[in-house]
Amino acid sequence: GAGVSQSPSNKVTEKGKDVELRCDPISGHTALYWYRQSLGQGLEFLIYFQGNSAPDKSGLPSDRFSAERTGGSVSTLTIQRTQQEDSAVYLCASSFYRGSSYNEQFFGPGTRLTVL
Amino acid sequence: QKEVEQDPGPLSVPEGAIVSLNCTYSNSAFQYFMWYRQYSRKGPELLMYTYSSGNKEDGRFTAQVDKSSKYISLFIRDSQPSDSATYLCAMSALTNAGKSTFGDGTTLTVKP
Repeated sequence: GAGVSQSPSNKVTEKGKDVELRCDPISGHTALYWYRQSLGQGLEFLIYFQGNSAPDKSGLPSDRFSAERTGGSVSTLTIQRTQQEDSAVYLCASSFYRGSSYNEQFFGPGTRLTVL
Repeated sequence: QKEVEQDPGPLSVPEGAIVSLNCTYSNSAFQYFMWYRQYSRKGPELLMYTYSSGNKEDGRFTAQVDKSSKYISLFIRDSQPSDSATYLCAMSALTNAGKSTFGDGTTLTVKP
């Protein structure tokens, strides 16, 4: 079956431009997560969507970052007025929510963003 | 101080060696403990997860959790070159199982 897909796989942009990163989760997965991974670093949580609940945006680093999830499926992470420090790999993951039980997260391949 | 600290590595071992990877944490609410493997330019994939304390074995991999010491380990027996990857520990609380906190990862190279 299809896994989590992300597009584009690579994005090079100029400082100050806006970018949109897309994530297609596994069909039927109710939870979707965005993480950022800088070179040689672990995963930094950005935002978490679960069903129709309000998203957990506690990890977004600034108001230049926003994300939406349409129809409970596809998600778009938008970074406005990009800065060089935004350069990183942006990873999306999805899971089937099982309440308090552990929810295995399945990751996409990531979008490598380079801000010049 | 980070909630999850992971030995930075990098770690280089000969094929067949036993590998020990470790993380410590500070949040006593963490109940789920995961190990992910990430190959270069790929997304992480779940290797093992453990609920609360104890050991869990899966083939050549053993995960250990010591909640009293807030310390978790992943052991790889008979390591293979194909085990060369970055290993990330992750943890989540029972009340918010969907939100995981990750370590920075340890890069392992197994030399033939």
